[in-house]
Amino acid sequence: SSELTQDPAVSVALGQTVRITCQGDSLRGSFAGWYQQKPGQAPVLVMYGKNNRPSGIPARFSGSKSGNTASLTITGAQAADEADYYCNSRDSSGNQYVFGSGTKVTVL
Amino acid sequence: VQLLQSGAEVRKPAASVIVSCKAPSDTFNRFYLHWVRQAPGQGLEWMGKINPSGGGATYTEKFQGRVTMTRDTSTRTVYMELRSLTSDDTATYFCTREGLVFGGAIVPYFDYWGQGSLVIVSS
Repeated sequence: SSELTQDPAVSVALGQTVRITCQGDSLRGSFAGWYQQKPGQAPVLVMYGKNNRPSGIPARFSGSKSGNTASLTITGAQAADEADYYCNSRDSSGNQYVFGSGTKVTVL
Repeated sequence: VQLLQSGAEVRKPAASVIVSCKAPSDTFNRFYLHWVRQAPGQGLEWMGKINPSGGGATYTEKFQGRVTMTRDTSTRTVYMELRSLTSDDTATYFCTREGLVFGGAIVPYFDYWGQGSLVIVSS
């Protein structure tokens, strides 16, 4: 299956830690990319590969993968982290890419 | 890196639309560009990719036969044409660049995104 499953929504208290997961068969052979999207804006890459943060992304974001599940962790969540988060992967042929269903993160 | 997309479009059902994305020289020559769409209130959906330097394109099965991705090397612009539009095609269409990976690992990621082009299909 080429689907990636994410929890629809999670909430986290300000300053606490939240983990967002992404599960799918394609992740057995592929690392995930993670994107943050705020209303009315284009997605922003926040994590990719084993645990790579693009320039400008705070160190409170980290990534990991085990088997068919990739995770994005926000340690010490801030109000600015409230957004939708999407994962992506691709198949081994390089010809099919897929996005997860998205997780809405609410910072309380 | 700025991917500059064309503006909003309104089309009637059964019509076609072409969305453009202009890229910097280095991006156009060395990176794959992809098209991703997002219906109102929905998630991201991958449509396909194009190699701007060579012109080859790959589409997801859902859009096979209805989408064509092309490029103009003289203007460093890629185009996404979607035909036989229905109301389900109402969405924001994004052009995005796939980042480079060195080594054998599969690490798909999109590091730069256009601003998005809204396409509204309505009678």
